Amino acid sequence: EVQLVESGGGLVQPGGSLRLSCAASGLTFSGSWMTWVRQAPGKGLEWVANMRLDGFEKYYVDSVRGRFTIYGDNAKNSLFLQMNSLRAEDTAVYYCARGVTKLDLWGQGTLVTVSS
Amino acid sequence: SYELTQPPSVSVSPGQTARITCSGDALPKKSTYWYQQKSGQAPVLVIYEDNKRPSGIPERFSGSISGTMATLTIIAAQVEDEADYYCYSIDNSGYHRGVFGGGTKLTVL
Repeated sequence: EVQLVESGGGLVQPGGSLRLSCAASGLTFSGSWMTWVRQAPGKGLEWVANMRLDGFEKYYVDSVRGRFTIYGDNAKNSLFLQMNSLRAEDTAVYYCARGVTKLDLWGQGTLVTVSS
Repeated sequence: SYELTQPPSVSVSPGQTARITCSGDALPKKSTYWYQQKSGQAPVLVIYEDNKRPSGIPERFSGSISGTMATLTIIAAQVEDEADYYCYSIDNSGYHRGVFGGGTKLTVL
């Protein structure tokens, strides 16, 4: 079965760090794009970052640029989101998705809560 | 920053046609994608490249574009179509930065 599975979410204090993982099974990463999308409680979807899996292109929403880093490990068929200097407004369910515009496969999401 | 604008809510009775709009200055040049999200679930792609339907999506879902406005149309909407719908595109910066519309809650009752 082709699927994406996120992990790494949890409760973290403001200013802390967290690394999210997205493991792909049944598909290969190489040559494609992957995207992170988040959804704050009761709010809409927000695009966070994406990358071309050869590493040559990466883009971030303004609110996370300089704090978050997206990267991949093709050998492990995994995508990561390193989140530093976390703020309360980063609290959300984080989804990884395959693609850059046509996001045709999504994980189930992992919840990140930033609170003291 | 680039924005896509959707109405917060649309309500129809079962069997009626639902139309959800999405406006954005770059939509004449950048394709629109539509995602359906039911309560507690991950989003699902229902329309891509303005008007193409992925396999497995019912034929009652269709998309169109006219100028700076994209429209998701659901003909003969069913109760199970009740969900939040988001349009999505790439901004007009020349880079692949994504942007979602604010979402539209479709009520079918």
